[in-house]
Amino acid sequence: DARVTQTPRHKVTEMGQEVTMRCQPILGHNTVFWYRQTMMQGLELLAYFRNRAPLDDSGMPKDRFSAEMPDATLATLKIQPSEPRDSAVYFCASGFRVPGQGRNEQFFGPGTRLTVL
Amino acid sequence: GIQVEQSPPDLILQEGANSTLRCNFSDSVNNLQWFHQNPWGQLINLFYIPSGTKQNGRLSATTVATERYSLLYISSSQTTDSGVYFCAVAGTASKLTFGTGTRLQVTL
Repeated sequence: DARVTQTPRHKVTEMGQEVTMRCQPILGHNTVFWYRQTMMQGLELLAYFRNRAPLDDSGMPKDRFSAEMPDATLATLKIQPSEPRDSAVYFCASGFRVPGQGRNEQFFGPGTRLTVL
Repeated sequence: GIQVEQSPPDLILQEGANSTLRCNFSDSVNNLQWFHQNPWGQLINLFYIPSGTKQNGRLSATTVATERYSLLYISSSQTTDSGVYFCAVAGTASKLTFGTGTRLQVTL
């Protein structure tokens, strides 16, 4: 049963602490996305990678957020230092895309619910 | 970027009723997906439907790409259908832009 996995599922931390969220995309998928969901902004893209290379991180606050793919089976999203306004659910999604061709469907993980006190 | 509008924002149905949810988008798309976010927060893929019509059990969807809208039909609704339904689209870039969702509550 192929699915995107995310850890941790829940994280409560204090302002100023570093937070690391991890994602394992579906095996064989070449595109990985990070989205954030808040009541005020809804679901919005933070960053995405194709074949482990960052393609777009324009949705991410650069001063405190960083996203990486150390290998094809792991994507990470870090916040340092965290702030209360970062409280949200962070979703990872993966898909397989050959630009200009074929299916472009994305599959979402269960999310990490982050609370920054 | 592409704008996505969903209607209605809220919907209350009695079990067994049918409903139609609408998604309008502002530009041509290469990807259109419908998701159900259940009460536990999970985003469940319902349809990948950049054009055409698909059916899956009590759910069906139609996208008319030339007129820039998509419809999600729910027939014989059940309480387990409750949650938020999102439409999301992507143009030439892969990133999805989400609508604000339709919150559905199905009552007994």
